[in-house]
Amino acid sequence: DVKVTQSSRYLVKRTGEKVFLECVQDMDHENMFWYRQDPGLGLRLIYFSYDVKMKEKGDIPEGYSVSREKKERFSLILESASTNQTSMYLCASSRRDRVRGFDEQFFGPGTRLTVL
Amino acid sequence: LAKTTQPISMDSYEGQEVNITCSHNNIATNDYITWYQQFPSQGPRFIIQGYKTKVTNEVASLFIPADRKSSTLSLPRVSLSDTAVYYCLVGDGGTDKLIFGTGTRLQVFP
Repeated sequence: DVKVTQSSRYLVKRTGEKVFLECVQDMDHENMFWYRQDPGLGLRLIYFSYDVKMKEKGDIPEGYSVSREKKERFSLILESASTNQTSMYLCASSRRDRVRGFDEQFFGPGTRLTVL
Repeated sequence: LAKTTQPISMDSYEGQEVNITCSHNNIATNDYITWYQQFPSQGPRFIIQGYKTKVTNEVASLFIPADRKSSTLSLPRVSLSDTAVYYCLVGDGGTDKLIFGTGTRLQVFP
């Protein structure tokens, strides 16, 4: 059974704190993604990665950074958390399809982050 | 920048067929169209994917006209458990980014 796991389901942090959100996949997928989901805005892509040590900005990278030191792990970092980063964060992974670019994405359960 | 447009919400009754349409005017030649389903407190889940004409699996059908500027997800005989948000996904005009639409909230009533 394929699996994408996220380190926490719920997280509460204070403004200015450095926050790490961890994502691990066990499917040997090349691609990994971080999204945030807010009411009325759907899913918005923050960063994605094609391979180890590679990263690409999504639509809303400001205030975030990522790290991919190992193929199975993709971390999202909030250098200095702010209240407008309160959101649901979803990690996903997929195989790299050479024809279509991206294959089916498998999502983790999400981390609901609250920044006070 | 490819963009998709879907209805915000739809209501249906059990046993009816539901059709959700997504507009994607800037779809690139090599882009596929993918639909996902999301239940509350869960990540989205893949439903179906297609490139042109019609695709059918055990869950749904996907209709894509010749110009590929829109697509329609068809759910036959919905049940209460189909109540969810449905997202249409296309490639971002030939780049490697995928764009989720804002989703359609389907509510199925008994």
